[in-house]
Amino acid sequence: EPEVTQTPSHQVTQMGQEVILRCVPISNHLYFYWYRQILGQKVEFLVSFYNNEISEKSEIFDDQFSVERPDGSNFTLKIRSTKLEDSAMYFCASSEGDSGEKLFFGSGTQLSVL
Amino acid sequence: KNQVEQSPQSLIILEGKNCTLQCNYTVSPFSNLRWYKQDTGRGPVSLTIMTFSENTKSNGRYTATLDADTKQSSLHITASQLSDSASYICVVSAASGGSYIPTFGRGTSLIVHP
Repeated sequence: EPEVTQTPSHQVTQMGQEVILRCVPISNHLYFYWYRQILGQKVEFLVSFYNNEISEKSEIFDDQFSVERPDGSNFTLKIRSTKLEDSAMYFCASSEGDSGEKLFFGSGTQLSVL
Repeated sequence: KNQVEQSPQSLIILEGKNCTLQCNYTVSPFSNLRWYKQDTGRGPVSLTIMTFSENTKSNGRYTATLDADTKQSSLHITASQLSDSASYICVVSAASGGSYIPTFGRGTSLIVHP
């Protein structure tokens, strides 16, 4: 079965540094998402992306966050100036459509901000 | 505010036994409800999807039910196996202005003991 792949699996950074989390969604999917899960808490929606633009974003997704699809395969999440509270598991997901269709999640990137 | 509440928070059962996980939601307007299985350190994987008109849906040893009137869903696992140990997450999608934003529950942590 096709998979969503994420790199790196773990990222450690200093507070205030910029990080870029990378994702390769499933090739024929059109909708892309970023979610995060703080340790012990529920999965939280960050942003959805379609047709090269953001379609929805949550309150968490403030000016420090940005997403980009730089080419035909990659989908990235950038955090400009990381804070301690950004430490979490970040999941990328993709889906064929947007009608509440099944999300295919990657294995996540564990971000630790020191 | 859209919310999804799951119970119990955690559950320990013996291998071979059955169990039922509960999900109550206040999501409007309702589009669909999914149950996801999340293994430790992995992304969630979709088990079942329920739409408004569906009451019961099975996927192998997993059976999901939906009562749209009381806004409750359950996930029944039959003849549990050690590999069923995971977090089970209820996700309810609302249809709003052409987009479908999912609301995640906190999950039920299931441990199956030999």
